[in-house]
Parts: sequence; structure tokens; C-alpha cells
Amino acid sequence: QKEVEQNSGPLSVPEGAIASLNCTYSDRGSQSFFWYRQYSGKSPELIMFIYSNGDKEDGRFTAQLNKASQYVSLLIRDSQPSDSATYLCAVSSNYQLIWGAGTKLIIKP
Amino acid sequence: DADVTQTPRNRITKTGKRIMLECSQTKGHDRMYWYRQDPGLGLQLIYYSFDVKDINKGEISDGYSVSRQAQAKFSLSLESAIPNQTALYFCATSVGEGTEAFFGQGTRLTVV
Repeated sequence: QKEVEQNSGPLSVPEGAIASLNCTYSDRGSQSFFWYRQYSGKSPELIMFIYSNGDKEDGRFTAQLNKASQYVSLLIRDSQPSDSATYLCAVSSNYQLIWGAGTKLIIKP
Repeated sequence: DADVTQTPRNRITKTGKRIMLECSQTKGHDRMYWYRQDPGLGLQLIYYSFDVKDINKGEISDGYSVSRQAQAKFSLSLESAIPNQTALYFCATSVGEGTEAFFGQGTRLTVV
């Protein structure tokens, strides 16, 4: 059974600080990695995707991928209260996406 | 208008009843998925379809069935609803393997 692991949190971060979210996965053959944000009761929405080792930046968000260590992370700079949500990590495996249970992030004003 | 539309958005039903959740999409994607989400858990795949004639069971298909009526429509049925099927259900689409999933607004189902 392919797995994706995330710390459930909650992760509490002061407003303006950097939030760091982590995800590990078990399938060494995975090629695509996604971070989704989900507000309570709402559908997940894509924040970032990354395919290659290294960093990918988009505005305040940076995704980091290390295939050798099988982890992917998401950094949120200058955290805002509106970033408070659950962040889901998804990894491609055998024609589908395998999802982590999500990390709840709380940004404190 | 949403690209992936689920109906109904909320539903309360009684134990033993048959219920259908519907999903339609205007994105033109071949791949469609039904997920279930319980509090504190990730998205669990119920069924997925790569085209109209290709339907596959996911990790938690027991008690569920699906129908792919057209490329744009994928319905999920609970044959005889039970209380532990109370959850948030999402339909999703994708364009191909290893690509992002696009989600509908979700259906909150309560079985009493």
C-alpha cells in the first residue's frame, strides 16, 4: 500500500513568519507532487506542483522536492491569517494520486 | 460557473435508502474520480474512470457503485446507505496520469 505521511498538526505560526509543511511518501517511482489547500468544508485547491528535485517558487510559496529522501515540503513566507487552512500533500502513484491526511495550519495575528 | 459540479450539495438520508450523487464537468477531461473525506483523514478513493468504458474500484469501493453516463458525467450510488457512510464526498477530474486533480464543491452526506 503506497503511503503519504503528513504531520496532522495543528501547526501554529505567527503572522509574517515562515510556515514549513512537510510530507513523506513511500513510492520511489512517484513523479508528480502536489500541494493543495483546503478550507474547512470546502474543496481542495491546488497551490503548487513540482516534478523535479530542488525548489520551485511561486509568490510567497516554495515547494521543495528531494526524491532521494522521499520528501516534499511547502514553505509559506510572510504568513497571513488567510493562509490558515489544512494543507494536503498528494503524490502520483500507479495512475492515481495518493493523498496525505493533511496538516492543519493556524496563522496567529 | 464551476467547471466540476456536484449535486446535491447537502443531503440527509435514512439508513437503508439508496442515494445517488451526481457529478458533471465542463473541462473536457477523460479521467473522473470519486473521493470520500472523513474528519482528520485524507481523501480516500472510491472509484475512478479513465473513460466511459473504463471504470475501476478504488481503495474503499464496498457499498458503493458508479455509472459513467458520458465523458462529462460520473455518478456515485450508495446502494443501501449506512451511518458510517456519513462523510464529505468529492468528485474530481484530471487530464491525464500524474496531473493535478480539479475538484467539485463537495457533497455533505449524512446518513441517520
